[in-house]
Amino acid sequence: EDQVTQSPEALRLQEGESSSLNCSYTVSGLRGLFWYRQDPGKGPEFLFTLYSAGEEKEKERLKATLTKKESFLHITAPKPEDSATYLCAVRKGGGADGLTFGKGTHLIIQP
Amino acid sequence: DAGVIQSPRHEVTEMGQEVTLRCKPISGHDYLFWYRQTMMRGLELLIYFNNNVPIDDSGMPEDRFSAKMPNASFSTLKIQPSEPRDSAVYFCASSWASFSGNTIYFGEGSWLTVV
Repeated sequence: EDQVTQSPEALRLQEGESSSLNCSYTVSGLRGLFWYRQDPGKGPEFLFTLYSAGEEKEKERLKATLTKKESFLHITAPKPEDSATYLCAVRKGGGADGLTFGKGTHLIIQP
Repeated sequence: DAGVIQSPRHEVTEMGQEVTLRCKPISGHDYLFWYRQTMMRGLELLIYFNNNVPIDDSGMPEDRFSAKMPNASFSTLKIQPSEPRDSAVYFCASSWASFSGNTIYFGEGSWLTVV
């Protein structure tokens, strides 16, 4: 059975304090690992897609990396506006086109 | 460009009533997805369509739930009769093709409360 597990469930950081969020997955025929950001009362907002082990993508203070079993979302020198829930999802092969999501990491950046 | 548009944004209804949620996908997208989000279970895929045809409805919880896509620009998710355990946020999402992990874009959600 496909599984996506995110850790930690919640993380509180001081502004400027860098850290990483983890997404572990087991899926047959990975066809993309996705990171989304979700603000309260909003829909998930797309951040990155990673396709193969070793791939990295960056956007402002965020960098996503991928191995064969997990992905990390590194947050460098975060600001309060980076506070959100970060969701990881996988899309698998074999004709199943929807995303399977983890439960997310709730990130709070304190000024 | 307009994103995925959902209505209503908020709905409060009484148990036993019919609920209809609506979605307009991004123009040109040929995949449409309905997700449900709760604190306990996170985001779950309910059903998805390709070119207006339902492909996989294995996530639909029970027969009280039904979804239709009469044309490329409109879809509905109906719950009849509604129950308190259906209270959740329902998201519609769309994407263009499915190969190479194309990005799925989400709407703002419909917040359903069944009392």
